[in-house]
Amino acid sequence: NAGVTQTPKFRVLKTGQSMTLLCAQDMNHEYMYWYRQDPGMGLRLIHYSVGEGTTAKGEVPDGYNVSRLKKQNFLLGLESAAPSQTSVYFCASSYPTDRGVAYNEQFFGPGTRLTVL
Amino acid sequence: GNSVTQMEGPVTLSEEAFLTINCTYTATGYPSLFWYVQYPGEGLQLLLKATKADDKGSNKGFEATYRKETTSFHLEKGSVQVSDSAVYFCALSNTGTASKLTFGTGTRLQVTL
Repeated sequence: NAGVTQTPKFRVLKTGQSMTLLCAQDMNHEYMYWYRQDPGMGLRLIHYSVGEGTTAKGEVPDGYNVSRLKKQNFLLGLESAAPSQTSVYFCASSYPTDRGVAYNEQFFGPGTRLTVL
Repeated sequence: GNSVTQMEGPVTLSEEAFLTINCTYTATGYPSLFWYVQYPGEGLQLLLKATKADDKGSNKGFEATYRKETTSFHLEKGSVQVSDSAVYFCALSNTGTASKLTFGTGTRLQVTL
């Protein structure tokens, strides 16, 4: 199993350009998440999804959109990139607690480093 | 709301030294607590977890005990190695929140020979 994979690994954009980050997981997990990691701020949740066709806002959703058309994929879009969106983006997946487990481990991808000039 | 506070780093230790990274939390109810580790250039991976008060999570020589009375989940290791150099994140998850994690800011550990 590949686990959680992210595409691309690196990207440089100019202000105002758009792009889509792709996350894929092969663990049949219902839940998927997008985080951004910035120095001194830990990881902050951008958007998440509890199942195919559903999405919800996290802590810092402004400037981003997401889609979950297939259970295994979760896309993060930047319609008009800004320098403030320079960050490392992580995708993660998990499963509901009603599967008989008490904890909610998340499995992370390797990250995408995005620079917006 | 939920929040996690970690000691600021970087923490620099010599190999075989004792490690403590402090973590305290604020949450309603009974959250699950986690330590995640991020090695250079990689994503986060779960190091250990605890799901109820007084539980001790352990893995790879690291330990942390869920202390509800002090709302703490401090990470400890008796003898660190150079290979433990990484960033460590304390996190919590409350049931009924779609398994969302609230992270601390992370603590960078540098272990030298």
